[in-house]
Amino acid sequence: AQRVTQPEKLLSVFKGAPVELKCNYSYSGSPELFWYVQYSRQRLQLLLRHISRESIKGFTADLNKGETSFHLKKPFAQEEDSAMYYCALSRFRDDKIIFGKGTRLHILP
Amino acid sequence: EAGVAQSPRYKIIEKRQSVAFWCNPISGHATLYWYQQILGQGPKLLIQFQNNGVVDDSQLPKDRFSAERLKGVDSTLKIQPAKLEDSAVYLCASTDPGALVPNTEAFFGQGTRLTVV
Repeated sequence: AQRVTQPEKLLSVFKGAPVELKCNYSYSGSPELFWYVQYSRQRLQLLLRHISRESIKGFTADLNKGETSFHLKKPFAQEEDSAMYYCALSRFRDDKIIFGKGTRLHILP
Repeated sequence: EAGVAQSPRYKIIEKRQSVAFWCNPISGHATLYWYQQILGQGPKLLIQFQNNGVVDDSQLPKDRFSAERLKGVDSTLKIQPAKLEDSAVYLCASTDPGALVPNTEAFFGQGTRLTVV
């Protein structure tokens, strides 16, 4: 069965420090991996996906198939990065989207 | 483009009562999802529709939950009778599987916060 694991419920980082939100997945096929973000009082929205290989708001994520990981990274945290971050996996064959439990990122001033 | 619309935004009911949620996806999006998000947890997929057909409802508690998407556009999710543990935010999302980029992003509604007392 497919599963997405985010080991940290809460991550507190000082402004200007590097950020790494961990995500591991289990899936026997070829998944597509995403990071979704939910800012306070806003709806859940896509931050980035592995297939695009792009940097959004300074965040990047690399799919490591050997380690089945898709960690989210940013070199210098900003206060506006404080939010809930969810790692998600989608199956190509039927578009089923599965989410991890999320990590709350708290940027300290 | 208009986003995913959900109503109501909030609902408080007593246990054993029934409740219904409504979702209107983005126009043209064939795939519609209902998720349950309990406080402190990630969204849990309840049911996935492709047009008006069910793709996956393996996580839907069918003894009390039902969902339909009769015309392949908007959808309703019903709980009857509700239990205390159904208190959660119910999220609706849609995707366009026909888009050029495979497995494109899911667009979410604001959600319905249900409190069962």
